[in-house]
Amino acid sequence: QVQLVQSGAEVKKHGSSVKVSCKASGGTFNSDTFSWVRQAPGQGLEWIGGIIVMFGMANYAPNFRGRLIVTADRSTNMVYMELSSLRSDDTAVYYCARNGDPTMAVVGANYFDYWGQGTPVTISS
Amino acid sequence: EIVMTQSPATLSVSPGERATLFCRASLSVNSNLAWYQQKPGQAPRLLIYDTSSRVSGTPARFSGSGSGAEFTLTITSLQSEDFATYYCQQYNKWPLTFGPGTKVDTK
Repeated sequence: QVQLVQSGAEVKKHGSSVKVSCKASGGTFNSDTFSWVRQAPGQGLEWIGGIIVMFGMANYAPNFRGRLIVTADRSTNMVYMELSSLRSDDTAVYYCARNGDPTMAVVGANYFDYWGQGTPVTISS
Repeated sequence: EIVMTQSPATLSVSPGERATLFCRASLSVNSNLAWYQQKPGQAPRLLIYDTSSRVSGTPARFSGSGSGAEFTLTITSLQSEDFATYYCQQYNKWPLTFGPGTKVDTK
């Protein structure tokens, strides 16, 4: 059974950076593709970026290019997302999620079969 | 990017009744459409992918249909655990996009 366990809640200052981790277990990490999806308070879901672990190849939603870095560590089965230049509208719960179709190793064009529990990130001024 | 819309925004249903949720894409997404269920304080849970394929563990009372740009999620005989928000998601074209959700609550 695949499990994705994320790091804990964060409170950050406006203009700073945040790094959230996601520990994967029970699957074939090196063959997987992971994404980050966020959800602002009371709002819907927004895909922000992801990575193909085997190639270390990341891809980002247009609005996050230059501000988001997604990495994977194959030695520890960890996926990370680092968002910089934080502003108030980055306040959200951030989820890591695994691509559901392993035959489509594409970041940003797949559905998600397993999700982490979410990491609340709050930006304070 | 493809814009997804869902209707209604809120659906009030009594337990045991049928619920029909709609999802529309601004362009054809072929059959590359998934549905998720999300309860308060929880992560989304995948119910259906490829328009109509149920994930292992999704009860048979959930069914998906449609093609192109119009899709439906039907829940026959709603159970208490089905009250939640449901999101559709297209993955036919990069970047993937989600609909705004339909909240199913108790009438």
